[in-house]
Amino acid sequence: GAVVSQHPSWVICKSGTSVKIECRSLDFQATTMFWYRQFPKQSLMLMATSNEGSKATYEQGVEKDKFLINHASLTLSTLTVTSAHPEDSSFYICSASGTGRETQYFGPGTRLLVL
Amino acid sequence: GNSVTQMEGPVTLSEEAFLTINCTYTATGYPSLFWYVQYPGEGLQLLLKATKADDKGSNKGFEATYRKETTSFHLEKGSVQVSDSAVYFCALRGSGNQFYFGTGTSLTVIP
Repeated sequence: GAVVSQHPSWVICKSGTSVKIECRSLDFQATTMFWYRQFPKQSLMLMATSNEGSKATYEQGVEKDKFLINHASLTLSTLTVTSAHPEDSSFYICSASGTGRETQYFGPGTRLLVL
Repeated sequence: GNSVTQMEGPVTLSEEAFLTINCTYTATGYPSLFWYVQYPGEGLQLLLKATKADDKGSNKGFEATYRKETTSFHLEKGSVQVSDSAVYFCALRGSGNQFYFGTGTSLTVIP
């Protein structure tokens, strides 16, 4: 149990376009979802925390107008990178936790390359 | 505040060698502690966890004991395999369900 999926796993886009990444909890209701960004050979950087039906809480330094997060249901959260630029290229990872679940379960990640 | 400090890598070991990856933490209250593993090109997978002092988490031959007196959660394995090559992250869960990760330790096991 506790499987989290992400789609797509890979995306290449042109500079200036927007990219949407989906994060789904497949077998549990995720009351809270987290979005992380990971740079090569570095740790995960928490970008934002989202609770179902509420606005996301962004970490300091993360542009909320650039990284739009929607958590419309208990099984789905989306991250939209708006007007992507090459410096947005990274590995984006979501995680989810449910009521009574202490552990966060991570998705496999989405690698974004902006040309 | 909450933070996790991990030993820096990379670590290279021969197959069947003993592994220790050090992890210490700073936290308010009584956090839960975790080890996650990330294989190349993949997301993080939970390896083991401990929720209170003196608990030992174990999985796939890996062990870690929650030591409150030394604020440590060192990861150990008695005999590593090539398939254990990955990046290992120590993490703590704070009171707000937020996770704080260490910088990760890359392990390479050579035959």
